[in-house]
Amino acid sequence: AQSVTQPDIHITVSEGASLELRCNYSYGATPYLFWYVQSPGQGLQLLLKYFSGDTLVQGIKGFEAEFKRSQSSFNLRKPSVHWSDAAEYFCAVGVDYSGGSNYKLTFGKGTLLTVNP
Amino acid sequence: SAVISQKPSRDICQRGTSLTIQCQVDSQVTMMFWYRQQPGQSLTLIATANQGSEATYESGFVIDKFPISRPNLTFSTLTVSNMSPEDSSIYLCSVDDRGNGYTFGSGTRLTVV
Repeated sequence: AQSVTQPDIHITVSEGASLELRCNYSYGATPYLFWYVQSPGQGLQLLLKYFSGDTLVQGIKGFEAEFKRSQSSFNLRKPSVHWSDAAEYFCAVGVDYSGGSNYKLTFGKGTLLTVNP
Repeated sequence: SAVISQKPSRDICQRGTSLTIQCQVDSQVTMMFWYRQQPGQSLTLIATANQGSEATYESGFVIDKFPISRPNLTFSTLTVSNMSPEDSSIYLCSVDDRGNGYTFGSGTRLTVV
């Protein structure tokens, strides 16, 4: 069965510092990969996604992620963190369930990001 | 992108009662998904709702506890039945945004006392 591992439960960075959030997945086929952000009391917002093609994907709010098939990873990066980036970040893998283009999401446990001034 | 309206946004309910959560999408979608996020936890898929057929439930979730309706292509409801404090969670609906990833509603924060 598919699974998603986010090894870091909580990360603290200083404002302006670079950020990398780790995500590893286990899935027997080519995955669809996603990063979502959840601010306190809010729903989930899609940051970026990977379906195919270029393994470096750009997202909203200055985030990017790189798909590395050999490492089964899809790490999220940002060169300079802003205080407003403090939130919980979820990595997810899309699993095909109908043999077509339909898929459902399996989420990692999330990484809580704290940004120090 | 699709816009999802979910309500209520929060509720406090007595144990043994039921709560129905509504999810309205501003465009027609084939599949709608219901998730549960327990306190401090990740999201777990409850069921997939396809218009015109019974919902498909994930392991550990049953229709008697979480009945789902899907009367048309823009609307779905999830009922949490015979609630206990363990049902205290955030419940979210989600749709596939025309192949652009999944969009989520803002969630329903349920507290059972």
